[in-house]
Amino acid sequence: ETVLTQSPATLSLSPGERATLSCRASQSVSSYLGWYQQKPGQTPRLLIYDASNRATGIPARFSGSGSGTDFTLTISSLEPEDFAVYYCQQRSNWPITFGQGTRLEIK
Amino acid sequence: QITLKESGPTLVKPTQTLTLTCSFSGFSLSTSGVAVGWIRQPPGKALEWLALIYWDDDKRYSPSLKSRLAITKDTSKNQVVLTMTNMDPVDTATYYCAHRLRLGSNGYNYFDYWGQGTLVTVSS
Repeated sequence: ETVLTQSPATLSLSPGERATLSCRASQSVSSYLGWYQQKPGQTPRLLIYDASNRATGIPARFSGSGSGTDFTLTISSLEPEDFAVYYCQQRSNWPITFGQGTRLEIK
Repeated sequence: QITLKESGPTLVKPTQTLTLTCSFSGFSLSTSGVAVGWIRQPPGKALEWLALIYWDDDKRYSPSLKSRLAITKDTSKNQVVLTMTNMDPVDTATYYCAHRLRLGSNGYNYFDYWGQGTLVTVSS
């Protein structure tokens, strides 16, 4: 199966700063990678699909990039509501797999 | 507007079979491109995809759990049912059902609408 490794495990930043989260796949997933945000006690929210496409209603400060095995989620200027856990997920190869998550915490 | 809701037991004993029902509205599982998946999340841990059922009754399972899982749909009731046999304490998790992303007539194996989740504890 395709293993997704997210880094860092925890990222400590302040509001207004830029956040860069990484997801690396154990084999190529082409551009078939998405990102989710999950806040405590809430369900995951789809942010990005197919590497760089924002899902409906997602603010423009969220952007995704990458292809093949290396992907990045960037939050251009952190808002207080952005502090959460972020997961990547690939749909290129069966089974569908998720990364282990990056916790974005307030510094 | 799309909504999903999981229902089922909150506590099961080891070796028992878990049956979860996902009741949904706002879409039909008889429409081309539509699919519903199950994903679980142990407390404090990451998401794990379990199974997916498509509008045409095609089914996909996590290979590591395939022998224990079955997913079915009842289009007339707008429900999807997941059964998992031989439950073990390591299966303790919140179980989510979710709608597969669909844009126009194209489907993408991501999940854009999620149920609230149901916490299933496996303990004797």
